[in-house]
Parts: sequence; C-alpha cells; structure tokens
Amino acid sequence: DPKIIQKPKYLVAVTGSEKILICEQYLGHNAMYWYRQSAKKPLEFMFSYSYQKLMDNQTASSRFQPQSSKKNHLDLQITALKPDDSATYFCASSQERGDAEQFFGPGTRLTVL
Amino acid sequence: TQTVSQSDAHVTVFEGDSVELRCNYSYGGSIYLSWYIQHHGRGLQFLLKYYSGNPVVQGVNGFKAEFSKSDSSFHLRKASVHWSDSAVYFCAVSAYQGGRALIFGTGTTVSVSP
Repeated sequence: DPKIIQKPKYLVAVTGSEKILICEQYLGHNAMYWYRQSAKKPLEFMFSYSYQKLMDNQTASSRFQPQSSKKNHLDLQITALKPDDSATYFCASSQERGDAEQFFGPGTRLTVL
Repeated sequence: TQTVSQSDAHVTVFEGDSVELRCNYSYGGSIYLSWYIQHHGRGLQFLLKYYSGNPVVQGVNGFKAEFSKSDSSFHLRKASVHWSDSAVYFCAVSAYQGGRALIFGTGTTVSVSP
C-alpha cells in the first residue's frame, strides 16, 4: 500500500490558471515537505510543515501556497501558473521536522502550456 | 550556506563491479548527511544517513558511505552492483539546528550494464 499519496500523477495546465496538488501521508509523521524537481534545477526544497504549522519557506513567490487541512495532508496551491512552473513536485514526510530520513511520494508532474 | 557537490554527473559500470559515488559538502555547523536513490519516474528513497559516531555507515541493499571531516566528503560505495542499482543517486545535507530541510546535490546517474 502506498504510504504517501500524491494526486494527480500528471497535470497539464494553461498559463495563468490555478491548480492544487494533493498530498496525503499514512506514516503517522509529524513533518511534511514540498520539493520541486525540474530539468533546469536540481531537487529544490520549497516548504516544511510541522504539526500543521509552516516552519520553513524557501519559495520566493507567493503564488505557491501550501495548505494543511489535516495533520497528514499538505496540499500545494499554485496560482497564476507560468511555463517555468513546469516541474515534478514531490511531497515528503518525516517523523519530526529536521529528520534526515524523509519519505517521498511518487510526485506530480506539472506541465504549464 | 550549505552546499553539496556531486562531481560525477554520470557513471557507467558493469554488473558485479564496485562503484563509488562522490559527494563533497560545505557547511560550518552540525549537519546530517544522507544519500537517496531515485529510480526513473519514481520518488526518492532513503539509503542511509550520518550525523556522528562511526564514520562508516551501512545502508540498505549493500550500500555504505564514509564520512570524512578533513575532506568534507561523504562518498557512497557498493562492492558489487546489480542491474537494479541503475538510478540517480542524490547526496543531501541538512542542518541540525532549526530543522532545515534537505539540500540536495545535482545527482549522479548510475548505469549498470549486464
């Protein structure tokens, strides 16, 4: 059974639109993260949450907004999409914030046309 | 500022060969070092980590890594690779204080030939 679920697996959007990437983890972890991986940049940390509170934000743009409705959920809302936002977005979790052992989801591959 | 450098973008080995993947880091404080593997089209999987103690750490599937403070390195090794080890390998550093997230290197793609 998958321990971290990301939906959808693939997503195509038009420039200027808004999308929400879903992440749910069933590991009982207290910390969750978002990372981005694109052809132009290596794996890039975006956000970390601990007990549903935003702890770290390394994303310069306010167009990216994480949302945690439940302890095991961390969605990512992206507004005013741009072609440069095209990437694979990975959700991850760990028992506690700062743990070096993190568990990654399968990713959502976003293409912005 | 933490940085992680993986000098080899691509390594090709034959099945049964040994392999060493190089990782160098720069950071002045206490850090965790870790290695992850990413098979094509999949998410990352944790291999091993080091914080303190024995500089040689054992991971899953026969992988091990050795920390060297003098060289600022954390190289990953495997004595005998299998075709299923073909993947991208990422070295990562995270600062102990403040619980900062993983900072990844650019990755090394390992191709194992039969």
